[in-house]
Amino acid sequence: QVQLVQSGAEVKKPGASVKISCKTSGYIFTRYYMHWVRQAPGQGLEWMGMINPSGGSTSYAQKFQGRVIMTRDTPTSTVYMDLSSLRSEDTAVYFCARAATMDYWGQGTLVAVSS
Amino acid sequence: NFMLTQPHSVSESPGKTVTISCTRSSGSIASNYVQWYQQRPGSAPTILIFEDNQRPSGVPDRFSGSIDSSSNSASLTISGLRTEDEADYYCQSHENTNYWVFGGGTKLTVL
Repeated sequence: QVQLVQSGAEVKKPGASVKISCKTSGYIFTRYYMHWVRQAPGQGLEWMGMINPSGGSTSYAQKFQGRVIMTRDTPTSTVYMDLSSLRSEDTAVYFCARAATMDYWGQGTLVAVSS
Repeated sequence: NFMLTQPHSVSESPGKTVTISCTRSSGSIASNYVQWYQQRPGSAPTILIFEDNQRPSGVPDRFSGSIDSSSNSASLTISGLRTEDEADYYCQSHENTNYWVFGGGTKLTVL
């Protein structure tokens, strides 16, 4: 069965970076794009960007250009999302979601940014 | 780039039918597929409808999706409401490879 398992919660100080992993199983890793979506406390879903695990190409939301890097490690079927220059507004739960239809989601990773 | 607008909240009684709208601000709703997700508190979203009106296996046929070009909107209809349907619902679409967008979400209360 398809599974997306994300890394654990993080607490970071303003200005720091965070790197979240999303380890996949149960399907051919290179066949489906992976999106990253975040949700601030009490707010809606916000698309951050996506990566094509086949070649590693990426597309980022304009809001995050220059601050986000998405990568993948094909041997371990894992994608990563690195967000830098963190500020308090980046406090959110971050999700990975598979494919154009976002048919499978990771469980979410809470990132708290606080001084 | 376009936006997707949903009502902030809707409510209905058990056994009834409710429809949640998702209006595209510019460009045709038919230009790009719309997906719908359900999110319960503390959980990740789950897909209910993909490609405007397709239901993944395992999603009850009480959930249906449609698009209406005249109102430039998509709709999610839930029939035979159950208390377990109480959740937040999000529509989603995209325009190109670097613009994917969600509606603001609709909180469904089943009274």
